[in-house]
Amino acid sequence: AQSVTQLDSHVSVSEGTPVLLRCNYSSSYSPSLFWYVQHPNKGLQLLLKYTSAATLVKGINGFEAEFKKSETSFHLTKPSAHMSDAAEYFCVVSELTGFQKLVFGTGTRLLVSP
Amino acid sequence: NAGVTQTPKFQVLKTGQSMTLQCAQDMNHNSMYWYRQDPGMGLRLIYYSASEGTTDKGEVPNGYNVSRLNKREFSLRLESAAPSQTSVYFCASTNSGSSYNEQFFGPGTRLTVL
Repeated sequence: AQSVTQLDSHVSVSEGTPVLLRCNYSSSYSPSLFWYVQHPNKGLQLLLKYTSAATLVKGINGFEAEFKKSETSFHLTKPSAHMSDAAEYFCVVSELTGFQKLVFGTGTRLLVSP
Repeated sequence: NAGVTQTPKFQVLKTGQSMTLQCAQDMNHNSMYWYRQDPGMGLRLIYYSASEGTTDKGEVPNGYNVSRLNKREFSLRLESAAPSQTSVYFCASTNSGSSYNEQFFGPGTRLTVL
């Protein structure tokens, strides 16, 4: 079975500083990987996805993630944090069962201070 | 397009009561899902429906039943609510056929069982 591990439950940054949210995956074959964001009391929204076309994936709101097979990682980064980035972020892997079935990490809460 | 809608937004039940959570999507998606979100555990799949007329158990199905009423609607029923079912419930939908497809999430139902 596939799984993802988010290495930090909370990350705190100051506005304008870089963001790094870490995710490692476990898969016996090339996975489909996603990052979703959840703002307080809201549903989840797709930030970006890895589909094997390119190892560096750009998403919405200036976020990007790099797929590193040798490290089994898919870390999420942003050069400069904004207050509106404060949210919970989920790293997600899709099982290949003939249709899509997502397996979620436990989430990382990003706190942004002025 | 409304996307994925869920009703109700909030609900308080007493132990042993029953209720049905409603979900509808207007994106003509084949696959629909019910998740629960608990602190520190990410989202866990309760039930899913790969296509109209089919439903299957996910990771945590005990205490729940589902109905795929038609292509648009997928309901989740708690027959006899227990305090362990206090959670936030999300419905999602996607086009089937690819593990790369984005899942679209509803705004959630916050359920408290006393």
